[in-house]
Amino acid sequence: AQTVTQSQPEMSVQEAETVTLSCTYDTSESDYYLFWYKQPPSRQMILVIRQEAYKQQNATENRFSVNFQKAAKSFSLKISDSQLGDAAMYFCAFSSPNNDMRFGAGTRLTVKP
Amino acid sequence: GAVVSQHPSWVICKSGTSVKIECRSLDFQATTMFWYRQFPKQSLMLMATSNEGSKATYEQGVEKDKFLINHASLTLSTLTVTSAHPEDSSFYICSARGQPFNYGYTFGSGTRLTVV
Repeated sequence: AQTVTQSQPEMSVQEAETVTLSCTYDTSESDYYLFWYKQPPSRQMILVIRQEAYKQQNATENRFSVNFQKAAKSFSLKISDSQLGDAAMYFCAFSSPNNDMRFGAGTRLTVKP
Repeated sequence: GAVVSQHPSWVICKSGTSVKIECRSLDFQATTMFWYRQFPKQSLMLMATSNEGSKATYEQGVEKDKFLINHASLTLSTLTVTSAHPEDSSFYICSARGQPFNYGYTFGSGTRLTVV
C-alpha cells in the first residue's frame, strides 16, 4: 500500500521569502507520479506541480519547484518569493498508472505581510 | 484544459432522504473517476473508484449500500447518498482521470452536504 506523510501541519512564511514544505512517501512501485495540490478556502483542488518518478530532473513551475529524492522517497515543495495568495492548504499526493491518488494529511501555509 | 463540473456545490437535506451528486468531465473522456470525502481541516479520504461501465470499487469501511456510485458514461459519474444522516454531512469531491494517464487528475469543485 502507498502512504504519503506530511509532517508539518502548519507552516508560516514572510511575504517575498522562501518556504519549503516536506513530504515523504512509501511505495514498492517503480512507475509512479507525485503531485502537490493547493486547496484555498474555496476548497477547489488546484494542481501546483507534478513529478514523474522516472524523471531525474526536478519539476519547476514558475515560483514553485520540487526537490525529488527518489532513493529517500522524499518530495518537498519550495515556494519562492511567497505571495499572500499562496496561503492555503497544501497536499502532497501519490499515484501510479493503475491505482488511485492518495494524499498526505496536508500542511496549512500562512503568508505574513 | 481539462474541466470537471460537480453539482450541486452545496445541498441541505433532511435526515432519511437521498441526495445525488453529479460529476461530469466536460472536455475529455474520464475512464476512471474517484470520489473523496473531506472533513473539516482534514485531508481527502478516498471513498471509491469507478470505471465506466463497471461496478465501483469501495474503500474499506465505506458502505456501498449507503454511497451508491454509478459511472454509466465516459463523462458522467454520480454519487448518491441514501438515507442520509447527520454524520454523512461532509465535503464530497470527485476527480476524473483520462487517458493517457499522464494527463493527470482533474478535480471537481466539491459538494458541501449538510444533513439536518
